[in-house]
Amino acid sequence: GAGVSQSPRYKVAKRGQDVALRCDPISGHVSLFWYQQALGQGPEFLTYFQNEAQLDKSGLPSDRFFAERPEGSVSTLKIQRTQQEDSAVYLCASSIGTQGNAYGYTFGSGTRLTVV
Amino acid sequence: GNSVTQMEGPVTLSEEAFLTINCTYTATGYPSLFWYVQYPGEGLQLLLKATKADDKGSNKGFEATYRKETTSFHLEKGSVQVSDSAVYFCALEELSFGAGTTVTVRA
Repeated sequence: GAGVSQSPRYKVAKRGQDVALRCDPISGHVSLFWYQQALGQGPEFLTYFQNEAQLDKSGLPSDRFFAERPEGSVSTLKIQRTQQEDSAVYLCASSIGTQGNAYGYTFGSGTRLTVV
Repeated sequence: GNSVTQMEGPVTLSEEAFLTINCTYTATGYPSLFWYVQYPGEGLQLLLKATKADDKGSNKGFEATYRKETTSFHLEKGSVQVSDSAVYFCALEELSFGAGTTVTVRA
Protein backbone atom coordinates (compact mmCIF):
# COMPACT_ATOMS: atom_id res chain seq x y z
CA GLY A 1 0.00 0.00 0.00
CA ALA A 2 0.93 3.66 -0.12
CA GLY A 3 1.62 3.95 3.58
CA VAL A 4 1.87 2.02 6.81
CA SER A 5 -1.56 0.96 7.96
CA GLN A 6 -2.40 0.10 11.55
CA SER A 7 -5.58 -1.34 12.94
CA PRO A 8 -7.61 -0.80 14.93
CA ARG A 9 -7.16 2.95 15.36
CA TYR A 10 -8.65 2.78 18.83
CA LYS A 11 -8.97 -0.12 21.24
CA VAL A 12 -10.54 -0.15 24.68
CA ALA A 13 -9.73 -3.24 26.70
CA LYS A 14 -10.77 -4.33 30.14
CA ARG A 15 -7.88 -5.04 32.48
CA GLY A 16 -6.81 -8.62 32.05
CA GLN A 17 -8.04 -8.89 28.46
CA ASP A 18 -5.72 -9.93 25.62
CA VAL A 19 -5.36 -7.59 22.64
CA ALA A 20 -3.83 -7.88 19.17
CA LEU A 21 -2.66 -4.88 17.18
CA ARG A 22 -1.99 -5.15 13.48
CA CYS A 23 0.53 -3.40 11.26
CA ASP A 24 0.59 -3.50 7.46
CA PRO A 25 3.92 -2.04 6.36
CA ILE A 26 4.70 -0.60 2.96
CA SER A 27 5.05 -3.43 0.47
CA GLY A 28 8.66 -4.53 0.08
CA HIS A 29 9.91 -2.86 3.23
CA VAL A 30 12.45 -5.02 4.98
CA SER A 31 12.51 -3.40 8.41
CA LEU A 32 9.59 -3.11 10.79
CA PHE A 33 9.62 -1.49 14.21
CA TRP A 34 7.07 -1.31 17.00
CA TYR A 35 7.05 1.57 19.46
CA GLN A 36 5.04 2.54 22.52
CA GLN A 37 4.24 6.22 22.91
CA ALA A 38 2.88 7.49 26.19
CA LEU A 39 1.00 10.77 26.30
CA GLY A 40 3.37 13.72 25.92
CA GLN A 41 6.39 11.50 25.31
CA GLY A 42 8.40 10.34 22.35
CA PRO A 43 8.14 6.85 20.92
CA GLU A 44 9.87 4.15 22.96
CA PHE A 45 11.36 1.26 21.01
CA LEU A 46 9.76 -2.12 21.60
CA THR A 47 10.99 -4.52 18.95
CA TYR A 48 12.54 -4.80 15.48
CA PHE A 49 12.00 -7.21 12.60
CA GLN A 50 14.15 -7.69 9.54
CA ASN A 51 11.83 -9.54 7.19
CA GLU A 52 10.38 -12.34 9.32
CA ALA A 53 13.23 -12.43 11.81
CA GLN A 54 12.79 -10.66 15.13
CA LEU A 55 16.30 -9.37 15.65
CA ASP A 56 15.76 -7.21 18.69
CA LYS A 57 13.07 -7.43 21.32
CA SER A 58 14.96 -5.71 24.09
CA GLY A 59 12.34 -2.98 24.44
CA LEU A 60 9.39 -5.24 25.22
CA PRO A 61 8.45 -4.27 28.79
CA SER A 62 7.39 -7.70 29.98
CA ASP A 63 6.71 -11.24 28.83
CA ARG A 64 3.07 -10.22 28.35
CA PHE A 65 4.16 -8.51 25.14
CA PHE A 66 4.73 -10.61 22.05
CA ALA A 67 5.25 -9.66 18.41
CA GLU A 68 5.41 -11.65 15.23
CA ARG A 69 5.86 -11.15 11.50
CA PRO A 70 5.57 -14.68 10.14
CA GLU A 71 5.74 -13.95 6.41
CA GLY A 72 7.91 -10.88 6.52
CA SER A 73 5.08 -8.46 5.80
CA VAL A 74 2.14 -7.97 8.20
CA SER A 75 3.06 -7.84 11.86
CA THR A 76 1.00 -8.33 14.99
CA LEU A 77 1.77 -7.02 18.46
CA LYS A 78 -0.03 -9.00 21.13
CA ILE A 79 -0.45 -7.94 24.71
CA GLN A 80 -1.69 -10.53 27.16
CA ARG A 81 -3.51 -9.78 30.40
CA THR A 82 -3.50 -6.04 29.75
CA GLN A 83 -2.76 -3.68 32.62
CA GLN A 84 -3.58 0.00 32.99
CA GLU A 85 0.05 0.93 32.47
CA ASP A 86 -0.19 -0.56 28.97
CA SER A 87 -2.44 2.34 27.94
CA ALA A 88 -0.55 4.20 25.21
CA VAL A 89 -0.37 4.72 21.47
CA TYR A 90 1.37 1.83 19.73
CA LEU A 91 3.22 2.87 16.59
CA CYS A 92 4.52 0.78 13.76
CA ALA A 93 7.17 1.98 11.32
CA SER A 94 8.78 0.39 8.28
CA SER A 95 11.77 1.07 6.07
CA ILE A 96 13.12 -0.27 2.81
CA GLY A 97 16.56 -0.78 4.34
CA THR A 98 17.85 -2.57 7.39
CA GLN A 99 18.39 -1.12 10.85
CA GLY A 100 20.71 1.85 10.88
CA ASN A 101 20.33 2.39 7.14
CA ALA A 102 19.63 6.12 7.47
CA TYR A 103 16.73 6.03 5.01
CA GLY A 104 14.36 7.03 7.75
CA TYR A 105 11.15 5.30 8.60
CA THR A 106 7.53 5.65 7.55
CA PHE A 107 5.19 5.58 10.51
CA GLY A 108 1.63 4.43 10.75
CA SER A 109 -1.01 6.51 12.51
CA GLY A 110 -0.89 4.25 15.52
CA THR A 111 -3.34 2.33 17.67
CA ARG A 112 -4.49 4.09 20.81
CA LEU A 113 -4.98 1.45 23.50
CA THR A 114 -6.92 2.34 26.62
CA VAL A 115 -7.09 -0.22 29.40
CA VAL A 116 -9.95 0.29 31.82
CA GLY B 1 23.78 3.86 25.93
CA ASN B 2 22.55 5.96 23.04
CA SER B 3 20.07 8.70 23.86
CA VAL B 4 18.80 12.11 22.83
CA THR B 5 17.79 15.08 24.94
CA GLN B 6 15.41 17.53 23.38
CA MET B 7 14.41 21.03 24.39
CA GLU B 8 11.17 21.00 26.32
CA GLY B 9 8.21 22.94 25.12
CA PRO B 10 5.74 24.16 24.50
CA VAL B 11 7.02 26.87 22.20
CA THR B 12 4.70 29.61 20.98
CA LEU B 13 5.79 31.93 18.20
CA SER B 14 4.37 34.56 15.92
CA GLU B 15 4.32 34.00 12.18
CA GLU B 16 7.64 34.83 10.48
CA ALA B 17 9.59 34.39 13.73
CA PHE B 18 12.80 32.36 13.94
CA LEU B 19 12.50 28.89 15.43
CA THR B 20 15.20 26.84 17.13
CA ILE B 21 14.64 23.52 18.86
CA ASN B 22 17.69 22.15 20.63
CA CYS B 23 18.66 18.50 20.49
CA THR B 24 21.77 16.90 21.94
CA TYR B 25 22.75 13.26 21.82
CA THR B 26 24.90 10.69 23.55
CA ALA B 27 26.15 7.89 21.37
CA THR B 28 28.99 5.56 20.58
CA GLY B 29 30.18 5.73 17.02
CA TYR B 30 28.52 7.94 14.46
CA PRO B 31 24.80 7.30 14.35
CA SER B 32 22.40 8.88 11.90
CA LEU B 33 20.25 11.67 13.29
CA PHE B 34 16.70 12.56 12.33
CA TRP B 35 13.97 15.07 12.94
CA TYR B 36 10.40 13.84 12.70
CA VAL B 37 7.27 16.01 12.72
CA GLN B 38 3.77 15.12 13.84
CA TYR B 39 1.02 17.43 12.62
CA PRO B 40 -2.27 17.48 14.53
CA GLY B 41 -4.20 14.29 13.95
CA GLU B 42 -1.49 12.72 11.81
CA GLY B 43 1.32 10.20 12.22
CA LEU B 44 5.03 10.96 12.51
CA GLN B 45 6.68 12.04 9.28
CA LEU B 46 10.36 12.22 8.50
CA LEU B 47 11.32 15.90 8.23
CA LEU B 48 15.07 15.69 7.64
CA LYS B 49 18.13 13.62 8.40
CA ALA B 50 21.92 13.67 8.55
CA THR B 51 24.15 10.63 8.41
CA LYS B 52 27.59 11.94 9.36
CA ALA B 53 29.38 14.80 11.07
CA ASP B 54 28.94 18.23 9.44
CA ASP B 55 26.09 16.98 7.26
CA LYS B 56 23.21 19.42 6.97
CA GLY B 57 19.72 18.07 6.52
CA SER B 58 17.08 20.37 5.10
CA ASN B 59 13.42 20.22 4.11
CA LYS B 60 10.46 22.62 3.98
CA GLY B 61 12.68 25.50 5.09
CA PHE B 62 13.93 23.60 8.14
CA GLU B 63 17.63 22.86 8.64
CA ALA B 64 19.74 20.91 11.11
CA THR B 65 23.48 20.34 11.14
CA TYR B 66 25.14 17.26 12.65
CA ARG B 67 27.72 18.71 15.06
CA LYS B 68 30.05 16.09 16.45
CA GLU B 69 32.05 18.54 18.55
CA THR B 70 28.96 19.66 20.48
CA THR B 71 27.00 16.41 19.99
CA SER B 72 24.06 18.42 18.75
CA PHE B 73 21.48 18.42 15.97
CA HIS B 74 19.47 21.58 16.53
CA LEU B 75 16.48 22.26 14.28
CA GLU B 76 16.07 25.75 12.84
CA LYS B 77 13.70 27.62 10.57
CA GLY B 78 14.13 31.25 9.68
CA SER B 79 10.50 32.23 9.20
CA VAL B 80 7.77 30.00 10.57
CA GLN B 81 4.22 29.76 9.30
CA VAL B 82 1.00 28.80 11.03
CA SER B 83 1.16 25.51 9.14
CA ASP B 84 4.40 24.63 10.99
CA SER B 85 2.41 24.14 14.21
CA ALA B 86 3.18 20.56 15.20
CA VAL B 87 5.16 18.36 17.56
CA TYR B 88 8.81 17.88 16.59
CA PHE B 89 10.88 14.86 17.62
CA CYS B 90 14.63 14.46 17.46
CA ALA B 91 15.76 10.85 16.93
CA LEU B 92 19.02 8.95 17.04
CA GLU B 93 18.69 6.29 14.37
CA GLU B 94 15.50 4.38 15.00
CA LEU B 95 16.03 3.40 18.57
CA SER B 96 15.98 6.61 20.60
CA PHE B 97 13.56 9.51 20.35
CA GLY B 98 13.34 12.76 22.25
CA ALA B 99 10.21 13.61 24.22
CA GLY B 100 8.96 15.98 21.54
CA THR B 101 8.58 19.75 21.41
CA THR B 102 5.16 21.23 20.74
CA VAL B 103 5.35 24.31 18.53
CA THR B 104 2.41 26.65 18.06
CA VAL B 105 2.65 29.44 15.52
CA ARG B 106 0.15 32.29 15.83
CA ALA B 107 -0.95 34.42 12.91
